[in-house]
Amino acid sequence: QSALTQPRSVSGSPGQSVTISCTGSGSDVGAYNWVSWYQQHPGEAPKLLIYDVTKRPSGVPARFSASKSGNTASLTISGLQAEDEADYYCCSYADNYSWVFGGGTKVAVL
Amino acid sequence: EVPVVESGGGLVQPGRSLRLSCTASGLVFSDHSVGWVRQAPGKGLEWVGFIRSRPYGGTTAYAASVKGRFTISRDDSKSFAHLQMNSLKTEDTGTYFCIIYDYGEDYFDSWGQGSLVAVSS
Repeated sequence: QSALTQPRSVSGSPGQSVTISCTGSGSDVGAYNWVSWYQQHPGEAPKLLIYDVTKRPSGVPARFSASKSGNTASLTISGLQAEDEADYYCCSYADNYSWVFGGGTKVAVL
Repeated sequence: EVPVVESGGGLVQPGRSLRLSCTASGLVFSDHSVGWVRQAPGKGLEWVGFIRSRPYGGTTAYAASVKGRFTISRDDSKSFAHLQMNSLKTEDTGTYFCIIYDYGEDYFDSWGQGSLVAVSS
């Protein structure tokens, strides 16, 4: 199973919006609504941000939103804040009881 | 989200074995599938494998990169899961995170802090 494709980095100034794409195939992102997103700060464990394509767990700020169209999922951070500087990973269920991650996107707050 | 703790990492020579353990509190452990995700130094996340909860039959599945070498087991009476890693290779080096699935198995609800495995001669 090939990794999902994410941009290596995106950046924005505080208050701006950034969007991270996550492109898979008809065997993973395009086939299932089991796309999740995780945020990882340096030296820490990843943390769940989004699940089931668009849903936010309690405690995750509303400035994080997500969507999916075809084989591509997207995560948008609106009103970028300094603490949003981190690595972001998408993840999708794939066929035959397996999961696949994207390569990760580093978000820089300028 | 619940506390998850891994143990058992360390330095091991290529070809040898190592076992990681994982426990979680604040949930009915047997009701949740448990898995492992690893991260090579400076690299991204890679799903390693999982063991399903008792309601889902307790079966296992693995990434192609570890299939046949790694085995995941669980002891629900003690709320532990284990990752037995055999025939280790240098490319298995990294931080191994234990993950707890949500009831529907569609996302990873809780993550451990990670256990470092270094495979080197």
